[in-house]
Formats: sequence, structure tokens, C-alpha cells
Amino acid sequence: GENVEQHPSTLSVQEGDSAVIKCTYSDSASNYFPWYKQELGKGPQLIIDIRSNVGEKKDQRIAVTLNKTAKHFSLHITETQPEDSAVYFCAASILSGNQFYFGTGTSLTVIP
Amino acid sequence: KAGVTQTPRYLIKTRGQQVTLSCSPISGHRSVSWYQQTPGQGLQFLFEYFSETQRNKGNFPGRFSGRQFSNSRSEMNVSTLELGDSALYLCASSRQGGQSNEQFFGPGTRLTVL
Repeated sequence: GENVEQHPSTLSVQEGDSAVIKCTYSDSASNYFPWYKQELGKGPQLIIDIRSNVGEKKDQRIAVTLNKTAKHFSLHITETQPEDSAVYFCAASILSGNQFYFGTGTSLTVIP
Repeated sequence: KAGVTQTPRYLIKTRGQQVTLSCSPISGHRSVSWYQQTPGQGLQFLFEYFSETQRNKGNFPGRFSGRQFSNSRSEMNVSTLELGDSALYLCASSRQGGQSNEQFFGPGTRLTVL
């Protein structure tokens, strides 16, 4: 089955700096890669996703890049704010199916 | 549009008991997936239901079971609870079909087994 690895497990940045979280996957059939943000006491919230026919997608301060050849994808958050502090999860799945494989999460702390 | 709802939000049980958790998906969503989230293991897939049929299943023992009703609401049951079953149980719904399978999560049910 699919194996998703996520790094780093913890990340601290100063407010206004950028944060980058990286994930790798093993199954070349995976073609859908969402990112989730989980705040304390809440369920994961979808923040951005990318499909394998696209190399990059951006939504305001958040961007995701995908390298299909190397089987890795990354989340980029620019101009970080304290409210960006949360745990971020990457995931991989096949669009025609509905089984998601999650990374182990990155705890991001933005220091004011 | 209302989000995914899960009940109850918190549960305390003792070893050997059984528990039933409930999930109501977003209106129009026909797929419901269940995940177990623990600090050590992260998010682990339990199973997925679509149109009242279990379509995918993760690597969990048979003590974990589920079902889905005709209105897409889903329940998850854990029998003979063990201490290690203490976790946050998350439900996610998606519309399914075509090129859209974004999953939307509920707030979870925090299960504590004593």
C-alpha cells in the first residue's frame, strides 16, 4: 500500500517568515494530494490540495508544489502569522478511490 | 451548509465494554470514512462506506466495525474495548464521483478507555 512520510515533525518560525513542510509518497498511482490543518480540539481542515496533472497551486499565502518524478510534494506558507500555528498533515490518495494515506503531521509554531 | 457532525464528542468507557459512535456527513455526500488518531500513530484509516456498502478497510481487528444508513449517516462500533483503543475517532465525508473526492472532517469523538 501507499506510504507517506512527512518532515519535519516540529517546526518553529518567527512571525513573517516562511514555513515549508515536505512529504514523500511511494505509490506512483496516487494522484491527489491534500493538506490539512488541525487546531487543538478540532478535526483536520482541508486547506489546499493538488492533483497530479498540476505542478503547483497557490491560494493567497499558501502554496503546494508537486514533483511526480521524485514522488514528493511540499506545503509552503509565506508571511506566517500566529494563527498559522497548528498541526499540518499531508495525504495521498487515488482520485478514483477514496482511501487516504496520511503523513505523521508537522507541529508548526509561529513565534510572535 | 452544515459540516460533518459527530456524536458524542467525548466518551469514557472501561475495558471490555463496547461503544457506538455516530457521524452525519455533509448533505449530499455519500462517502463516509473513519479514522483513528493517536499521538503515536497519527491518522490511521479504519474503513470507508459508500451507499451503505463498505468499500475500503484498513488494518484494524474485527472488533472495529461500521455501517452506513440510507441517509448516508454512519456508525462505528468497537467491541471489547482495550486501553489502546483510547483515541480521537474522526469521521470524514466526501461527495465522491468524478474528479472530486475532497474529504471534510468532523470534530471527532474523544474516546477514553479506563
